[in-house]
Amino acid sequence: GENVEQHPSTLSVQEGDSAVIKCTYSDSASNYFPWYKQELGKRPQLIIDIRSNVGEKKDQRIAVTLNKTAKHFSLHITETQPEDSAVYFCAASLLNAGGTSYGKLTFGQGTILTVHP
Amino acid sequence: NAGVTQTPKFRVLKTGQSMTLLCAQDMNHEYMYWYRQDPGMGLRLIHYSVGEGTTAKGEVPDGYNVSRLKKQNFLLGLESAAPSQTSVYFCASSLIGSYGYTFGSGTRLTVV
Repeated sequence: GENVEQHPSTLSVQEGDSAVIKCTYSDSASNYFPWYKQELGKRPQLIIDIRSNVGEKKDQRIAVTLNKTAKHFSLHITETQPEDSAVYFCAASLLNAGGTSYGKLTFGQGTILTVHP
Repeated sequence: NAGVTQTPKFRVLKTGQSMTLLCAQDMNHEYMYWYRQDPGMGLRLIHYSVGEGTTAKGEVPDGYNVSRLKKQNFLLGLESAAPSQTSVYFCASSLIGSYGYTFGSGTRLTVV
């Protein structure tokens, strides 16, 4: 089955700096890579995702890049703010050719991001 | 529209006791999942269901059973709780063709 490794496990930055979290996956067939943010005591929520037919996707201060050859993908947060402090999870799954989801996400171990004011 | 609702939110069990966690969704989603979250280990899939009346094992199914008798409900059972099952349990659902999950608010279970 799929295995997702996430690094670093903790990341501490100053407000305004950039933060980068990296994930590698094992199953070359995986083609859908979402990122979730989980605030303390809350449920995980989807913040951005990318499919394997694109190499990069941006949404305001966050972006995700994908390198299918190397089987890794990364989350980039620019101009970090204290409210970005949370646990971030990457995940991987296989979508079929028609775009419907097989639905099983395999998650990384999580990264605790702390943004210091 | 409540989304995904989990009950109970907190529970303390003694070793050997049994309990059932309930997950209910009102979004007409086909897929439902149970994950457990432990520090440093991310979210690990216990069991999942691709439709009413169907269930399948995930990554860590031992010690758990599930049922999906109605499309909107997915039950997770612990027949004989063990301290190793102390964890936060999250239910999630997704619509066929969607690209992400909707998570419930979680159940914090402690087995003593």
